[in-house]
Amino acid sequence: DSGVTQTPKHLITATGQRVTLRCSPRSGDLSVYWYQQSLDQGLQFLIQYYNGEERAKGNILERFSAQQFPDLHSELNLSSLELGDSALYFCASSPSLAGLDEQFFGPGTRLTVL
Amino acid sequence: GQSLEQPSEVTAVEGAIVQINCTYQTSGFYGLSWYQQHDGGAPTFLSYNALDGLEETGRFSSFLSRSDSYGYLLLQELQMKDSASYFCAVRAASGGSYIPTFGRGTSLIVHP
Repeated sequence: DSGVTQTPKHLITATGQRVTLRCSPRSGDLSVYWYQQSLDQGLQFLIQYYNGEERAKGNILERFSAQQFPDLHSELNLSSLELGDSALYFCASSPSLAGLDEQFFGPGTRLTVL
Repeated sequence: GQSLEQPSEVTAVEGAIVQINCTYQTSGFYGLSWYQQHDGGAPTFLSYNALDGLEETGRFSSFLSRSDSYGYLLLQELQMKDSASYFCAVRAASGGSYIPTFGRGTSLIVHP
């Protein structure tokens, strides 16, 4: 158990819909990262927040957005969903901004878009 | 941008030694990490190399050569539970941010 929690574990929805994924980092970690992992793909970095502020952006679609709240939990919002958005979405946390060594990953949310 | 190359699959027998290579292209390099992921599970951190050389942690070792933009993960005394995907990852500095990039992963299959 990494100490990072994600809800929900599974999510099934239809094309065109909007969903929100939630992540609570390890106690004391200020950085939260979001990743997308499609079948047989590596982890695609989406976005990072540090202490409430957006700090790095990866290949995140404009239909996707995220935020980090004062209690440091984070939400990833996915809208106008397409079939290709079906994937595992992981969040990870680390204590530092750079997170140069270890990131702690949550169990993931499996999103299925029908 | 950043890119990493690693083999898609490696097979070995229980008790053997296996090496998973990773070559990378990046700017502002800040170290090479390795993660293990069992099917459908969360990636878990294995090692991090910021400087050239070998880092050993139990049965696992990781090596980095910055001049060759190359690293590897060495797994010794393989066990069936080591069957998993292994990802190398780099951090690259970009305008005050540190962008993590993961390789596509190497599927390790350990046979009895």
